[in-house]
Amino acid sequence: EVQLVESGGDLVQPGGSLRLSCAASGFIFNGFWMNWVRQAPGKGLEWVANINPDGSAKRYVDSVKGRFTISRDNDKKSVYLQMNSLRVEDTAVYFCTGWTTVTNYWGQGTLVTVSS
Amino acid sequence: DVVLTQSPLFLPVTLGQPASISCRSSQSLVYSGGNAYFNWFQQRPGQSPRHLIYNISNRDSGVPDRFSGSGSGSDFTLKISRVEADDVGVYYCMQHAYWPHTFGQGTKLEIK
Repeated sequence: EVQLVESGGDLVQPGGSLRLSCAASGFIFNGFWMNWVRQAPGKGLEWVANINPDGSAKRYVDSVKGRFTISRDNDKKSVYLQMNSLRVEDTAVYFCTGWTTVTNYWGQGTLVTVSS
Repeated sequence: DVVLTQSPLFLPVTLGQPASISCRSSQSLVYSGGNAYFNWFQQRPGQSPRHLIYNISNRDSGVPDRFSGSGSGSDFTLKISRVEADDVGVYYCMQHAYWPHTFGQGTKLEIK
């Protein structure tokens, strides 16, 4: 059974930091692009960052460039999102997703709340 | 950024009746052979998104054949042949031809 389990979401003050983790199982992790997608409360979906299967290529949406860092550990079958200088507008459920050309898998999400 | 515009944004449907959602892209998403980096997702209330369709018209594993995708260039459509109660939720189109990958605003399907 395919599983993606996110963790690390929390309430943090503006300017603070969090590290999200996503543990994968049930599929060939090192063959998948891994991604973080977020959804603000009551809003639509927004792509945040992705990383290629060997970790050599990373991309970020402009609103998080310079503040967020995506990484992966293929031995641990995990992907991470280091989030620094958090802003109120970063408040969202963060989903971890794994992609190939024909399919993709999603975790249940972890809630990040940025508020004073 | 590529903008995906969905219509309608709200779709009340009678059980057993068909439903159709349109998605228009601000840029062509088609590459060689008529393929496109274009997908459809379903998000049921309180759940994470579920992948339905890739490359315009190909259903992911386990997706009922009531769901079908069509389109070309920059205009795409998701059709549900006979709506069931389980289909309630928000439907999103998505492109991954250009970075950043983008989603449409979502179409909320409910049962009349």
